[in-house]
Amino acid sequence: AQSVSQHNHHVILSEAASLELGCNYSYGGTVNLFWYVQYPGQHLQLLLKYFSGDPLVKGIKGFEAEFIKSKFSFNLRKPSVQWSDTAEYFCAVNEAGTASKLTFGTGTRLQVTL
Amino acid sequence: GAVVSQHPSRVICKSGTSVKIECRSLDFQATTMFWYRQFPKQSLMLMATSNEGSKATYEQGVEKDKFLINHASLTLSTLTVTSAHPEDSSFYICSARQGGLSYNEQFFGPGTRLTVL
Repeated sequence: AQSVSQHNHHVILSEAASLELGCNYSYGGTVNLFWYVQYPGQHLQLLLKYFSGDPLVKGIKGFEAEFIKSKFSFNLRKPSVQWSDTAEYFCAVNEAGTASKLTFGTGTRLQVTL
Repeated sequence: GAVVSQHPSRVICKSGTSVKIECRSLDFQATTMFWYRQFPKQSLMLMATSNEGSKATYEQGVEKDKFLINHASLTLSTLTVTSAHPEDSSFYICSARQGGLSYNEQFFGPGTRLTVL
């Protein structure tokens, strides 16, 4: 069975600070990896995804994530956060090559202060 | 882009009544729809996977007789919470996915907040 760990539950940053949110997964096979964002009062939106190829994936709004297979990690990064990045961030994984269900991490609440 | 809607966005009901939540894919055909439950400050827990025209597959621990799922068309899935109780109060979110392995992305609805009194 797959599992996803997000060790940072609540992160507080000042505007312009750099961001890195950790995501580690547990699965014996090849995976697809996703980061979703949930802004206050809004639905989940896809930030970026990794299926194959270049392990450094660029997403919307200046976010990027790097898949490190040896570490089973897919950390999310942004060089300079903005107040509007305040949201809940979820890492998710499913089995590659299939249309299987997603397994979500517990989420990280990011609060950006002015 | 792909849009998924849910109706209603918020519902309050009395204990013992049944509540139906609709999930629609507005601009694409969804061969698969998923229903999640999200507790406050927690992650999304998958309840069931439904494929158009077939019975839903429920996750372990989810009562299929309590949470009835119908995916009768490629754009509509419904979740009916039967004989709701206060412990069923939660945020229910659906997602939809187009068919084929190349369409692996799920698009999420805005969620439905259910409060059972």
